[in-house]
Amino acid sequence: QVQLQESGPGQVKPSKTLSLTCTVSGDSISGFSWNWIRQPVGKGLEWIGRIYAGGSTNYNPSLRSRVTMSVDTSKNQFSLNLNSVTAADTAVYYCARVSPVTLFGLDYWGRGTLVTVSS
Amino acid sequence: QSVLTQPPSVSAAPGQKVTISCSGTYSNIGNNYVSWYQQLPGTAPTLLIYDNNQRPSGIPDRFSGSKSGTSATLAITGLQTGDEADYYCGAWDSSLSGGVFGGGTKLTVL
Repeated sequence: QVQLQESGPGQVKPSKTLSLTCTVSGDSISGFSWNWIRQPVGKGLEWIGRIYAGGSTNYNPSLRSRVTMSVDTSKNQFSLNLNSVTAADTAVYYCARVSPVTLFGLDYWGRGTLVTVSS
Repeated sequence: QSVLTQPPSVSAAPGQKVTISCSGTYSNIGNNYVSWYQQLPGTAPTLLIYDNNQRPSGIPDRFSGSKSGTSATLAITGLQTGDEADYYCGAWDSSLSGGVFGGGTKLTVL
């Protein structure tokens, strides 16, 4: 059974960088697309971006200037950095895998981690 | 403002059928597959439907999906109180080169 677990600080100060890591267990990170999605409390889902095990990425155009994703295949982990954060970046952040049989069906999700941007 | 458009809420009685619509454009729904997610309160979303109408293993056949042109529909039959949740549609957008979601639909089983 594939499991994903987000980790990182629960609070980030305004203008700083939000950094999260997703650890994958139960399968290799290779050969799949790994995504970050966020959800402000009480609101809908927003796709942040994706990274392949080989390192290629796609980012949400509205966040592209502030987002960087990376992957560490030796640790079966991938990471998200979002810089220059503001209160608008406060949300539950999820990592998720795209099913190998589809282009954008997210079949495994982490439980999510709440990140609050506050001084 | 979400790229895909869903009704904010729908409701129906137990045992009845409900449909949830998702409207997009040619760059997303029109030329790519649609997926649907169920989010129970306080939990992460789970995949209900992928590739417009395919169910992952373990998803009951009470849940079905369809697509026509630039719109998609999720249908749930034999409604149960446990189906009360938020439902989201999602798709790849070829113009944006990114994923997009609907704003979510809250299902109430009366």
